[in-house]
Amino acid sequence: NAGVTQTPKFRVLKTGQSMTLLCAQDMNHEYMYWYRQDPGMGLRLIHYSVGEGTTAKGEVPDGYNVSRLKKQNFLLGLESAAPSQTSVYFCASSSYPGTSYNEQFFGPGTRLTVL
Amino acid sequence: KQEVTQIPAALSVPEGENLVLNCSFTDSAIYNLQWFRQDPGKGLTSLLLIQSSQREQTSGRLNASLDKSSGRSTLYIAASQPGDSATYLCAVRNTGNQFYFGTGTSLTVIP
Repeated sequence: NAGVTQTPKFRVLKTGQSMTLLCAQDMNHEYMYWYRQDPGMGLRLIHYSVGEGTTAKGEVPDGYNVSRLKKQNFLLGLESAAPSQTSVYFCASSSYPGTSYNEQFFGPGTRLTVL
Repeated sequence: KQEVTQIPAALSVPEGENLVLNCSFTDSAIYNLQWFRQDPGKGLTSLLLIQSSQREQTSGRLNASLDKSSGRSTLYIAASQPGDSATYLCAVRNTGNQFYFGTGTSLTVIP
């Protein structure tokens, strides 16, 4: 049981390049989330998904796209990276709110630098 | 929009001391509140989850309380140890599907 995993762990991009971050969970969770963490800003929600084939915008969605083609995977894409997207990105998953213990589980993070 | 505040931003205590971390939120219509621990360069580890209908949860030396009407939660750590040094984050889940995080309290326990 690996929990939540993220690929890659580190990445350096040049402005304008694109990339995809992969999140995978093996807990059969319905809900998945992408956050970014910046100094002094805390964690902010980028996009989330409440089930396979669904996505929704969070607090800071601009410049990012997501897809949830399979229940266990949630992809975060940057089409044209900007220096303002330099951050640590975390993926999380949780069960449906109606379940008895619907805590969030986090992946180890991806440290992204955009030059 | 939900605002979550954690005070103090940093705390330093001698080993063995009991301590309290605070979390406040502006919108009391929450589904649950979760406390996390984050070590430098690492992801978040869940410590305790309190449902909106609950008043407190306990795990080992940790006790978290929730007063939804006043928009406050506390995390009590008993008999602190150097291994407790980390950043502690609280997050509230609104009755929608979004979580809102505080900026955390950085705790240092001095041997």
